[in-house]
Amino acid sequence: DAGVIQSPRHEVTEMGQEVTLRCKPISGHDYLFWYRQTMMRGLELLIYFNNNVPIDDSGMPEDRFSAKMPNASFSTLKIQPSEPRDSAVYFCASSPIGGSYNEQFFGPGTRLTVL
Amino acid sequence: GDSVTQMEGPVTLSEEAFLTINCTYTATGYPSLFWYVQYPGEGLQLLLKATKADDKGSNKGFEATYRKETTSFHLEKGSVQVSDSAVYFCALGWRGNKLTFGGGTRVLVKP
Repeated sequence: DAGVIQSPRHEVTEMGQEVTLRCKPISGHDYLFWYRQTMMRGLELLIYFNNNVPIDDSGMPEDRFSAKMPNASFSTLKIQPSEPRDSAVYFCASSPIGGSYNEQFFGPGTRLTVL
Repeated sequence: GDSVTQMEGPVTLSEEAFLTINCTYTATGYPSLFWYVQYPGEGLQLLLKATKADDKGSNKGFEATYRKETTSFHLEKGSVQVSDSAVYFCALGWRGNKLTFGGGTRVLVKP
């Protein structure tokens, strides 16, 4: 089975440009999570969805960030306008419902560099 | 709120040495506990888990026991290899909800 798919794997852009990161979760998973990882702040949860509905977006740093999940097989994280401090690795993860625990399956990440 | 504290790294070891990474948590009730591993250039992947007190999770020679008395979930491996060099994350979670991760511990194993 295919794992979580993220695209692009690497993105280099200039300050002020719009950036869109994409994620395809594992088929049948009900939860989708977006994380950001930096050396300074570690791994941060930005937002997560359940059945395509945003549940908790308290980790979204500011209004420049937005996330959508139009259907069960696709999600986007958009940054507009981008800033150098947004440079990080962004991970998408998905999780099935059920059982007594929730194991998350991570994608390979998108390394974003904002110049 | 929930929190996870794990020892800061980097932890540098020689091959075949014993590895321990301490992890303690704060939560109301008894969450499930996890160790995730991140190899260079990759996403996190589940290493092992425990869903209730006194459970022992194990995988690839790694072990961790859910200790509710000390609210701990320390990761151990008896003999590390160079290929175990990675960042290890302790985490807790509740059914159908998000995970709370610790800050990660970088482990470097030298030949």
